[in-house]
Amino acid sequence: DTAVSQTPKYLVTQMGNDKSIKCEQNLGHDTMYWYKQDSKKFLKIMFSYNNKELIINETVPNRFSPKSPDKAHLNLHINSLELGDSAVYFCASSLNFGPGTRLTVL
Amino acid sequence: GNSVTQMEGPVTLSEEAFLTINCTYTATGYPSLFWYVQYPGEGLQLLLKATKADDKGSNKGFEATYRKETTSFHLEKGSVQVSDSAVYFCALSPTGAGGTSYGKLTFGQGTILTVHP
Repeated sequence: DTAVSQTPKYLVTQMGNDKSIKCEQNLGHDTMYWYKQDSKKFLKIMFSYNNKELIINETVPNRFSPKSPDKAHLNLHINSLELGDSAVYFCASSLNFGPGTRLTVL
Repeated sequence: GNSVTQMEGPVTLSEEAFLTINCTYTATGYPSLFWYVQYPGEGLQLLLKATKADDKGSNKGFEATYRKETTSFHLEKGSVQVSDSAVYFCALSPTGAGGTSYGKLTFGQGTILTVHP
């Protein structure tokens, strides 16, 4: 049983496109997060949702829009992708992390 | 604001050597402290945690003690294996009521560990 799952695992796309990453947790936690890991492995919080409500937005560009249809899901939609968006994106539920989505923008 | 500082890497050791990765933090209140491990090509796994001063977290031969007086949470292992090669992250989080809920994680910059046979 996967606790936190993300899809897709890899995402390669052109600049300017719009893409989404899905995240689901079966741990029953109320709070979910998105973190970004850059090319130097540095991890930084992007968003936090508690029971479908946004509680943290760490100065992320508004091209990034999280959506939580229910407390088990927190999806990340990115508009007008830029080269600098290339990174690994991790979804987390409390202290449990998903496997990550490696996004490459060409 | 909260911050975490880890020793600069990379760290290269021979199998069975002793490992220490230093971690210090700055935080308001009484945070919980964590070590995460990221194996090549994989996600983050929680390695161990401590939620109050003088707590010792331990797992898989690794241990770390929450030292409030020195604001430190150094990771140690007595005898490393090749399979321990990974990136190690120190992190902190606010601790919720009852000590069982946590807030967002603030990470250190990560330390790459390579263990040679």
